[in-house]
Amino acid sequence: DGGITQSPKYLFRKEGQNVTLSCEQNLNHDAMYWYRQDPGQGLRLIYYSQIVNDFQKGDIAEGYSVSREKKESFPLTVTSAQKNPTAFYLCASSQNSGANVLTFGAGSRLTVL
Amino acid sequence: KQEVTQIPAALSVPEGENLVLNCSFTDSAIYNLQWFRQDPGKGLTSLLLIQSSQREQTSGRLNASLDKSSGRSTLYIAASQPGDSATYLCAVQGTSGSRLTFGEGTQLTVNP
Repeated sequence: DGGITQSPKYLFRKEGQNVTLSCEQNLNHDAMYWYRQDPGQGLRLIYYSQIVNDFQKGDIAEGYSVSREKKESFPLTVTSAQKNPTAFYLCASSQNSGANVLTFGAGSRLTVL
Repeated sequence: KQEVTQIPAALSVPEGENLVLNCSFTDSAIYNLQWFRQDPGKGLTSLLLIQSSQREQTSGRLNASLDKSSGRSTLYIAASQPGDSATYLCAVQGTSGSRLTFGEGTQLTVNP
Protein backbone atom coordinates (compact mmCIF):
# COMPACT_ATOMS: atom_id res chain seq x y z
CA ASP A 1 0.00 0.00 0.00
CA GLY A 2 1.21 3.49 -0.79
CA GLY A 3 1.58 5.94 2.02
CA ILE A 4 3.79 7.94 4.34
CA THR A 5 5.74 6.37 7.17
CA GLN A 6 6.95 8.45 10.08
CA SER A 7 9.31 7.14 12.73
CA PRO A 8 9.65 6.97 15.58
CA LYS A 9 6.07 7.35 16.79
CA TYR A 10 7.26 8.49 20.23
CA LEU A 11 10.60 10.07 21.05
CA PHE A 12 12.05 11.43 24.25
CA ARG A 13 14.95 13.84 24.24
CA LYS A 14 17.08 15.46 26.84
CA GLU A 15 17.64 19.18 26.63
CA GLY A 16 20.61 20.06 24.44
CA GLN A 17 20.30 17.03 22.17
CA ASN A 18 19.52 17.04 18.47
CA VAL A 19 17.01 14.49 17.23
CA THR A 20 16.00 13.46 13.73
CA LEU A 21 12.49 12.45 12.73
CA SER A 22 12.14 10.22 9.70
CA CYS A 23 9.57 10.63 6.93
CA GLU A 24 9.42 8.23 3.99
CA GLN A 25 6.81 8.12 1.20
CA ASN A 26 6.24 5.63 -1.60
CA LEU A 27 3.60 7.66 -3.40
CA ASN A 28 6.01 9.11 -5.95
CA HIS A 29 5.02 12.57 -4.74
CA ASP A 30 7.23 15.53 -5.61
CA ALA A 31 6.33 17.78 -2.67
CA MET A 32 6.83 17.04 1.01
CA TYR A 33 6.06 19.04 4.13
CA TRP A 34 6.73 19.14 7.86
CA TYR A 35 4.15 20.57 10.25
CA ARG A 36 4.13 21.07 13.98
CA GLN A 37 0.93 20.71 16.02
CA ASP A 38 0.53 21.99 19.57
CA PRO A 39 -2.55 21.40 21.76
CA GLY A 40 -5.43 23.67 20.81
CA GLN A 41 -3.57 25.08 17.83
CA GLY A 42 -3.70 24.47 14.14
CA LEU A 43 -0.83 22.99 12.18
CA ARG A 44 2.10 25.28 11.54
CA LEU A 45 4.45 24.78 8.60
CA ILE A 46 8.12 24.19 9.48
CA TYR A 47 9.73 23.38 6.13
CA TYR A 48 8.61 22.18 2.74
CA SER A 49 10.26 20.77 -0.35
CA GLN A 50 8.86 20.95 -3.86
CA ILE A 51 11.57 18.87 -5.49
CA VAL A 52 14.65 16.84 -4.65
CA ASN A 53 17.63 18.86 -3.39
CA ASP A 54 15.47 21.91 -2.77
CA PHE A 55 13.53 23.07 0.28
CA GLN A 56 12.11 26.30 1.72
CA LYS A 57 11.48 27.59 5.21
CA GLY A 58 7.94 27.66 6.46
CA ASP A 59 6.51 29.87 9.18
CA ILE A 60 8.43 28.42 12.14
CA ALA A 61 11.74 27.12 10.73
CA GLU A 62 14.00 28.42 13.51
CA GLY A 63 15.66 25.57 15.41
CA TYR A 64 14.89 23.00 12.71
CA SER A 65 16.75 21.67 9.68
CA VAL A 66 15.83 19.36 6.80
CA SER A 67 17.33 17.63 3.79
CA ARG A 68 15.84 16.24 0.62
CA GLU A 69 18.50 14.04 -0.97
CA LYS A 70 15.98 11.50 -2.24
CA LYS A 71 12.47 11.94 -3.54
CA GLU A 72 11.14 9.45 -1.03
CA SER A 73 12.72 10.89 2.09
CA PHE A 74 12.43 14.20 3.96
CA PRO A 75 13.97 13.92 7.45
CA LEU A 76 13.52 16.68 10.02
CA THR A 77 16.18 17.46 12.62
CA VAL A 78 15.07 19.23 15.77
CA THR A 79 18.15 21.00 17.06
CA SER A 80 19.05 22.18 20.52
CA ALA A 81 18.32 25.71 19.29
CA GLN A 82 14.59 24.95 19.23
CA LYS A 83 13.37 26.38 22.54
CA ASN A 84 10.08 24.51 22.86
CA PRO A 85 10.45 21.28 20.89
CA THR A 86 7.82 19.23 22.72
CA ALA A 87 5.04 18.81 20.14
CA PHE A 88 3.38 16.49 17.67
CA TYR A 89 5.16 16.52 14.30
CA LEU A 90 3.36 15.65 11.09
CA CYS A 91 4.88 14.92 7.71
CA ALA A 92 2.81 15.22 4.53
CA SER A 93 3.25 14.92 0.80
CA SER A 94 1.41 15.94 -2.34
CA GLN A 95 1.79 15.05 -5.99
CA ASN A 96 3.22 18.49 -6.64
CA SER A 97 3.09 21.89 -5.01
CA GLY A 98 -0.06 22.90 -6.83
CA ALA A 99 -3.61 22.32 -5.68
CA ASN A 100 -3.37 18.73 -4.58
CA VAL A 101 -4.70 16.75 -1.71
CA LEU A 102 -2.16 16.27 1.07
CA THR A 103 -1.44 12.80 2.39
CA PHE A 104 -0.30 12.79 6.00
CA GLY A 105 1.78 10.39 8.03
CA ALA A 106 0.66 9.16 11.44
CA GLY A 107 2.86 11.66 13.26
CA SER A 108 5.74 11.61 15.73
CA ARG A 109 5.36 12.85 19.29
CA LEU A 110 8.52 14.43 20.68
CA THR A 111 8.87 15.06 24.38
CA VAL A 112 11.78 16.92 25.91
CA LEU A 113 12.63 15.74 29.40
CA LYS B 1 -1.47 37.20 6.24
CA GLN B 2 -4.20 34.59 5.95
CA GLU B 3 -5.95 33.64 9.19
CA VAL B 4 -8.35 30.73 9.53
CA THR B 5 -10.82 30.43 12.39
CA GLN B 6 -13.03 27.50 13.29
CA ILE B 7 -16.12 27.75 15.43
CA PRO B 8 -17.02 26.10 17.71
CA ALA B 9 -13.81 24.76 19.26
CA ALA B 10 -15.72 21.78 20.62
CA LEU B 11 -19.13 20.31 19.96
CA SER B 12 -21.01 17.45 21.59
CA VAL B 13 -24.16 16.05 20.01
CA PRO B 14 -26.38 12.99 20.37
CA GLU B 15 -26.18 10.29 17.74
CA GLY B 16 -28.37 10.87 14.69
CA GLU B 17 -28.24 14.65 14.81
CA ASN B 18 -27.33 16.71 11.75
CA LEU B 19 -24.60 19.25 12.49
CA VAL B 20 -22.62 22.07 10.93
CA LEU B 21 -18.99 23.00 11.51
CA ASN B 22 -17.84 26.46 10.55
CA CYS B 23 -14.61 27.77 9.05
CA SER B 24 -13.83 31.38 8.22
CA PHE B 25 -10.80 32.91 6.53
CA THR B 26 -9.65 36.50 6.24
CA ASP B 27 -8.22 36.60 2.70
CA SER B 28 -10.75 35.59 0.06
CA ALA B 29 -8.05 35.10 -2.59
CA ILE B 30 -7.75 31.37 -2.09
CA TYR B 31 -6.97 28.55 -4.49
CA ASN B 32 -8.85 25.87 -2.62
CA LEU B 33 -10.14 24.86 0.77
CA GLN B 34 -9.82 21.44 2.35
CA TRP B 35 -11.52 19.73 5.25
CA PHE B 36 -9.56 17.14 7.22
CA ARG B 37 -10.37 14.68 9.97
CA GLN B 38 -7.91 13.88 12.76
CA ASP B 39 -8.36 11.07 15.26
CA PRO B 40 -6.55 11.43 18.62
CA GLY B 41 -2.80 10.98 18.29
CA LYS B 42 -3.05 10.31 14.56
CA GLY B 43 -2.34 12.08 11.31
CA LEU B 44 -4.87 13.94 9.18
CA THR B 45 -7.16 12.38 6.61
CA SER B 46 -8.45 14.53 3.79
CA LEU B 47 -12.25 14.55 3.59
CA LEU B 48 -13.17 17.08 0.93
CA LEU B 49 -11.40 19.58 -1.27
CA ILE B 50 -13.27 22.52 -2.78
CA GLN B 51 -11.65 24.47 -5.59
CA SER B 52 -12.12 28.24 -5.48
CA SER B 53 -14.46 28.06 -8.47
CA GLN B 54 -16.73 25.53 -6.78
CA ARG B 55 -19.56 26.12 -4.33
CA GLU B 56 -19.74 22.71 -2.67
CA GLN B 57 -18.49 19.15 -2.57
CA THR B 58 -20.22 16.05 -1.25
CA SER B 59 -18.95 12.71 -0.04
CA GLY B 60 -21.43 10.34 1.55
CA ARG B 61 -22.93 12.02 4.63
CA LEU B 62 -20.54 14.97 4.33
CA ASN B 63 -21.21 18.15 2.43
CA ALA B 64 -18.82 21.09 2.36
CA SER B 65 -19.77 24.49 1.02
CA LEU B 66 -17.63 27.46 0.11
CA ASP B 67 -18.56 31.13 -0.03
CA LYS B 68 -15.33 32.77 -1.09
CA SER B 69 -16.65 36.32 -1.10
CA SER B 70 -17.66 36.14 2.54
CA GLY B 71 -14.66 34.06 3.55
CA ARG B 72 -16.67 31.14 4.89
CA SER B 73 -16.96 27.40 4.55
CA THR B 74 -19.21 24.95 6.33
CA LEU B 75 -18.96 21.21 6.79
CA TYR B 76 -22.35 19.58 7.13
CA ILE B 77 -22.51 16.10 8.66
CA ALA B 78 -25.81 14.30 8.27
CA ALA B 79 -27.11 11.66 10.67
CA SER B 80 -24.04 11.78 12.90
CA GLN B 81 -22.59 8.54 14.32
CA PRO B 82 -20.24 7.87 17.25
CA GLY B 83 -17.58 6.97 14.69
CA ASP B 84 -17.66 10.57 13.48
CA SER B 85 -16.08 11.65 16.77
CA ALA B 86 -12.79 13.33 15.89
CA THR B 87 -11.24 16.74 15.36
CA TYR B 88 -12.14 18.40 12.08
CA LEU B 89 -9.74 20.93 10.58
CA CYS B 90 -10.12 23.20 7.61
CA ALA B 91 -7.21 24.57 5.63
CA VAL B 92 -6.97 27.09 2.81
CA GLN B 93 -4.38 27.21 0.07
CA GLY B 94 -3.42 30.60 -1.25
CA THR B 95 -3.05 31.40 -4.91
CA SER B 96 0.69 31.68 -4.52
CA GLY B 97 1.28 27.95 -4.27
CA SER B 98 1.75 25.18 -1.82
CA ARG B 99 1.29 26.70 1.62
CA LEU B 100 -1.78 25.68 3.56
CA THR B 101 -3.08 27.74 6.46
CA PHE B 102 -4.91 25.63 9.02
CA GLY B 103 -7.62 26.46 11.47
CA GLU B 104 -7.39 25.28 15.06
CA GLY B 105 -10.01 22.60 14.55
CA THR B 106 -13.37 21.64 16.01
CA GLN B 107 -13.39 18.67 18.37
CA LEU B 108 -16.59 16.73 17.72
CA THR B 109 -18.05 14.15 20.09
CA VAL B 110 -21.08 12.15 19.01
CA ASN B 111 -22.71 10.43 21.97
CA PRO B 112 -24.49 7.09 21.49
